[in-house]
Amino acid sequence: EVQLVESGGGLVKPGGSLRLSCAASGFNFNDAWMTWVRQAPGKGLEWVGRIKSESGRRKSEADGATIEYAASVKGRFTISRDDSKNTLYLQMNSLKTEDTAVYYCSTAPITIYGVVIKKGFDYWGQGTLVTVSS
Amino acid sequence: EVVLTQSPGTLSLSPGERATLSCRASQSVRSRYLAWFQQKPGQAPRLLIYAASNRAADISDRFSGSGSGTDFTLTISRLEPEDFAVYYCQQYGSYPFTFGPGTKVEIK
Repeated sequence: EVQLVESGGGLVKPGGSLRLSCAASGFNFNDAWMTWVRQAPGKGLEWVGRIKSESGRRKSEADGATIEYAASVKGRFTISRDDSKNTLYLQMNSLKTEDTAVYYCSTAPITIYGVVIKKGFDYWGQGTLVTVSS
Repeated sequence: EVVLTQSPGTLSLSPGERATLSCRASQSVRSRYLAWFQQKPGQAPRLLIYAASNRAADISDRFSGSGSGTDFTLTISRLEPEDFAVYYCQQYGSYPFTFGPGTKVEIK
């Protein structure tokens, strides 16, 4: 059974930092491209970013950079992964009140030369709440 | 960036009725890489449709997707009580991936 379990959320002051984790099991994490999506309280979904697998990183640049970010978080958030631990991370720095949201991890579509060979967003974690407030 | 607009914002219908949800893109969605999600309060989104018209695993055939270019539609043929939720479209044909603002399907 596929499982994604986020952790690390909590209350942080504006300007502070937080690192979220997403522990994956039940599928081949090493080959998976992964993504973060967030949802502010009472609002819609917002894509945060995507990271390729190590093998995907070595393939075509036509499929985007190794890590892609939404403009709203670029330069402040960093997505990384530890394949030895089957874990995805989201390092969040210089946090703003508007970063308050539930953060979800999910699988991302895998593309080769622009063609989606494996759909994404079919597995999601339960989310972890990040509250940025003074 | 591809901006997605969904209409209507809220759809008030009775169980057994047909629901038609619209998603319009500011520019053509590459290769029809458009998905639909259902979300209920306190839950993570659930993938319903991918590549505009393909049902995800274990999704009822009451759900169908269509469209191409800039205009896409999600149809729920006969609403069941469990279908009342918020529905989001999303494009994954170009970066940044983007979501629409959602359509709430509520019980009339």
